[in-house]
Amino acid sequence: DQQVKQNSPSLSVQEGRISILNCDYTNSMFDYFLWYKKYPAEGPTFLISISSIKDKNEDGRFTVFLNKSAKHLSLHIVPSQPGDSAVYFCAASFSGSARQLTFGSGTQLTVLP
Amino acid sequence: EPEVTQTPSHQVTQMGQEVILRCVPISNHLYFYWYRQILGQKVEFLVSFYNNEISEKSEIFDDQFSVERPDGSNFTLKIRSTKLEDSAMYFCASSEKVGLRFTGNTIYFGEGSWLTVV
Repeated sequence: DQQVKQNSPSLSVQEGRISILNCDYTNSMFDYFLWYKKYPAEGPTFLISISSIKDKNEDGRFTVFLNKSAKHLSLHIVPSQPGDSAVYFCAASFSGSARQLTFGSGTQLTVLP
Repeated sequence: EPEVTQTPSHQVTQMGQEVILRCVPISNHLYFYWYRQILGQKVEFLVSFYNNEISEKSEIFDDQFSVERPDGSNFTLKIRSTKLEDSAMYFCASSEKVGLRFTGNTIYFGEGSWLTVV
């Protein structure tokens, strides 16, 4: 049951350039989306979120875009830094069950110096 | 910055043994969760807990699993009779409120307890 999909298992980007991580979902009931970053042997760390009533949310170098009609969201990191190298998980929830998150499989981002 | 803490960081146990994983959620949080990640797979929801009872659970959370808040600070996950396929990283998480959509609330994760069943 792949309700949240991250089709790119890995992405390499040069330092200073933009990183774009993509996520697709199938359940139209999802109305809140989050991005988490995870280093090996650590728990997921919350990065940024977006409600379905918005199409963009920005926090510093991180911007999340939501395209509800395409059931697609993306995370933009500008400029990318070597410390951004980690696995990025997209997660979704819906108001009827706001207590749990459905995660994607993650994308390993490597930012090359 | 407040954080969710988990113990042990790593536990090796024999198949059939009982395991208790412990968590101290963030102090003003009211909602508690367990997730797990089998090596190479997705992070999966197990259970959520509020007001001393289970709010929701996934199909993974069968009768072998139980959760408890034995005092005002700890939140535990017990696996009664471990199986090889229970080997995974178990993440505890907590949130201040229910309802993520409009409140800016979010779920914060601990660093995980790595369980190896042999």
